[in-house]
Amino acid sequence: EAGVAQSPRYKIIEKRQSVAFWCNPISGHATLYWYQQILGQGPKLLIQFQNNGVVDDSQLPKDRFSAERLKGVDSTLKIQPAKLEDSAVYLCASSSTEGSYGYTFGSGTRLTVV
Amino acid sequence: DAKTTQPNSMESNEEEPVHLPCNHSTISGTDYIHWYRQLPSQGPEYVIHGLTSNVNNRMASLAIAEDRKSSTLILHRATLRDAAVYYCILRGSSNTGKLIFGQGTTLQVKP
Repeated sequence: EAGVAQSPRYKIIEKRQSVAFWCNPISGHATLYWYQQILGQGPKLLIQFQNNGVVDDSQLPKDRFSAERLKGVDSTLKIQPAKLEDSAVYLCASSSTEGSYGYTFGSGTRLTVV
Repeated sequence: DAKTTQPNSMESNEEEPVHLPCNHSTISGTDYIHWYRQLPSQGPEYVIHGLTSNVNNRMASLAIAEDRKSSTLILHRATLRDAAVYYCILRGSSNTGKLIFGQGTTLQVKP
């Protein structure tokens, strides 16, 4: 089966600019997650979707970050305006509500804010 | 979310077994023990999970203590490709349960 697709792979922007990341989960996976991974740390959950509804966005900095999952498939994560401390890898993952409990992660988008 | 404790780093020689420990003394009765690993420049990858009994798959084995307060991920013959950060994570029984990552154990494999 195809994996979780993310784009772009790399992005460099100046502070105060906006940026968007795209994720296409594994077909049929109802649950989608966005994580932020700062260099040297474990991934931190930002938001969790179940189909097109938000299950948990308690760790999402809502003053600058937003995410949507239209039609319960693809998802976009946006940062506006970006800060230097937003430099990180943004990982998307998906999981099925049936069978295996494993998550499948994409390769991530490495964001550098200068 | 229940917390896990892992050593920051471990070393192993190639083709030798590796035992990666994890302590989770506050685990609840319905928490599953999950292991993921993250190779350089990649997203985390599912390795194995279990509830009470020991588990084996093509990648590794998971040994769970009888009181479930600790577990050990076993790589039977380490290869250079197994060098990664290994995360031990507790996840609730719900299919919508979150994965909350800690710092993990960085495994170095020496030729």
